[in-house]
Order: sequence, then structure tokens, then C-alpha cells
Amino acid sequence: QAVLTQPPSASGTPGQRVTISCSGSDSNIGRDYVSWYQQLPGAAPKLLIYKNNQRPSGVPDRLSGSKSGTSASLAISGLRSEDEADYYCVVWDDRLSGYVFGTGTKVTVL
Amino acid sequence: EVQLVESGGDLVQPGGSLRLSCAASGFTIGNYWMHWVRQAPGKGLVWVSRINLDGSVTTHAGSVKGRFTISRDKPRNTLYLQMNSLRAEDTAVYFCVRDFTGPFDDWGQGTLVTVSS
Repeated sequence: QAVLTQPPSASGTPGQRVTISCSGSDSNIGRDYVSWYQQLPGAAPKLLIYKNNQRPSGVPDRLSGSKSGTSASLAISGLRSEDEADYYCVVWDDRLSGYVFGTGTKVTVL
Repeated sequence: EVQLVESGGDLVQPGGSLRLSCAASGFTIGNYWMHWVRQAPGKGLVWVSRINLDGSVTTHAGSVKGRFTISRDKPRNTLYLQMNSLRAEDTAVYFCVRDFTGPFDDWGQGTLVTVSS
């Protein structure tokens, strides 16, 4: 059973809003910051969100992150074709004493 | 410009050893925590190991503990991952990653390790 659970897929039409969830527990999301990464096909992952809701420079504000209790989510507004990629959440897990990645969500732009 | 270039990936038999290198440029690795993250073909991301600024603290995922060792060479500005007792399930692309805010801010392009007889 995965430590961090994400839906395997999400989709939307251009311009729509898509939300990806990341469900964890008290030993990880419940006590530490969550980050989000985008991975385009054949490329290395890219940091989108850190410390739950902070965007690095260069990441557009149509991407946003939030956290509540033992769950976190990434929202993509104004969906574009270039958003088609895999998305992962990650957080430190105190019980495992290591970082854990979510199971990943493939976003498709219809 | 921050650059991370991994090398050392290869085809190795089960039980064998391999050392991965990650040459950093544009910054000094001694000023950052550094990590290795891997991705098996068609699968998700898995954190492997991390090392602190002076190399005195290392942490490894349970699946590699006792078999893998992360280290750094400050004069060469290079990160290493020594992998021993390799198993088929260690087959993956291994990424070198700089920890700034993310914790995984800057990534290399990855190097492929294949464990097979």
C-alpha cells in the first residue's frame, strides 16, 4: 500500500481547472511541508510548488498548492496543452525517516 | 547556471557493484544538501539517499540501506552513489538533485542503471 496516494489520472479541456489530490498520514503530510513536481515525457522532474503553496520563480500563478490535515492538493487553472505531464507530490515521512513520493497523476488535456 | 551531470550508469549483473557520479557546476555542492532519486522504467519517482553540507550526515531509503552509500568530494564538486549487492529491482534512471527550497530543486538528466544477467 502506497504511503502517499494520488489519483492515477486527471483530465480537462483547455482553460479548465484541474485539481490533483495527495493523501497521506500523520507521519508525513500531517507534520511536514509538501512539494509538487511536474515531469514531462522523457525529461527530469521540475519543481512547481514547495512548502505547501510557494512557487519558485518562473512558475506561473495559475498553479497553486494547498494543504489541510493529512492531505494536499495541486490546482492547475487555465489548463494548457503544455500541462500534459505526470505530477508528483513529495514529503518527508517521520516513521520511515525518508522522503516519500506520491504515486503520480497523469494529466491529459482533452 | 546550475548544472548537474550524472555518469556511471551501466548494465551490471545481479550482485554486482557500480559507482555513480554527479558533476556539479554553477554552485558549490558543499553549500547544499544533495540527493539521489531514482525512477524505474515506466514507474514513479523514488527517493534513494541524501547527504548534508559537510558529508557528516547521510540517510538512505530502507530499500537500499546497507547496500548503497552516498558521498561527496568537495574539491571535485562531485556527488557519488556507491551501489553494492545490486538487484534487478534497482534497475532505474538515477537522478542527482540539489536541495535548495524544494527539497528537490535542481535535477540532472539522469543515468540509467540496468541490473540483469
